Amino acid sequence: NAGVTQTPKFQVLKTGQSMTLQCAQDMNHNSMYWYRQDPGMGLRLIYYSASEGTTDKGEVPNGYNVSRLNKREFSLRLESAAPSQTSVYFCASSEAPSGPQETQYFGPGTRLLVL
Amino acid sequence: AQSVSQHNHHVILSEAASLELGCNYSYGGTVNLFWYVQYPGQHLQLLLKYFSGDPLVKGIKGFEAEFIKSKFSFNLRKPSVQWSDTAEYFCAVNAKAAGNKLTFGGGTRVLVKP
Repeated sequence: NAGVTQTPKFQVLKTGQSMTLQCAQDMNHNSMYWYRQDPGMGLRLIYYSASEGTTDKGEVPNGYNVSRLNKREFSLRLESAAPSQTSVYFCASSEAPSGPQETQYFGPGTRLLVL
Repeated sequence: AQSVSQHNHHVILSEAASLELGCNYSYGGTVNLFWYVQYPGQHLQLLLKYFSGDPLVKGIKGFEAEFIKSKFSFNLRKPSVQWSDTAEYFCAVNAKAAGNKLTFGGGTRVLVKP
């Protein structure tokens, strides 16, 4: 089991460029999440997908879009990158459909630098 | 705004010292509480969690946390740290009042000197 995998590990973009961060999980989990981690601010939820076919906004969705391609894959797209989107991005998954007692399993993260 | 606060951003201590990391939250009602840890170069992983029952929760690697409802706190403790405990620690709260989404504190970087 690879758990939660993310690609790429590191990316540099110029302002205005677009890119898609990929996430896949092999644990047959229903729910998937995208977070961003900034120093001193912990992890903030960007978007989540409670189950295949559904997506919802989190705390900081502006400037991002997501696609739940199938049960395994959940991608995050930046249509026009801005320096404020420089961050470390984590994908996570959990078994329950947004159940309160769920444990979330995290990927290794993608470091994004927007110049 | 409702939030999760970790008051110590950085902690430096020597091996065998005791560790206590504070976590306070501002949500009312039912809460589920978590501590996650991120070792250097690794994924975030669950250290321990509290849903109900005994407010003193034991996790992996000798860590424990105590839920004090009256203080809205869920502090993490370890009696004697090791160099391998060097990591960043995140408190997280899942509250019905917050739509059952996980909200993280800002994290505490812990450096244990050998």
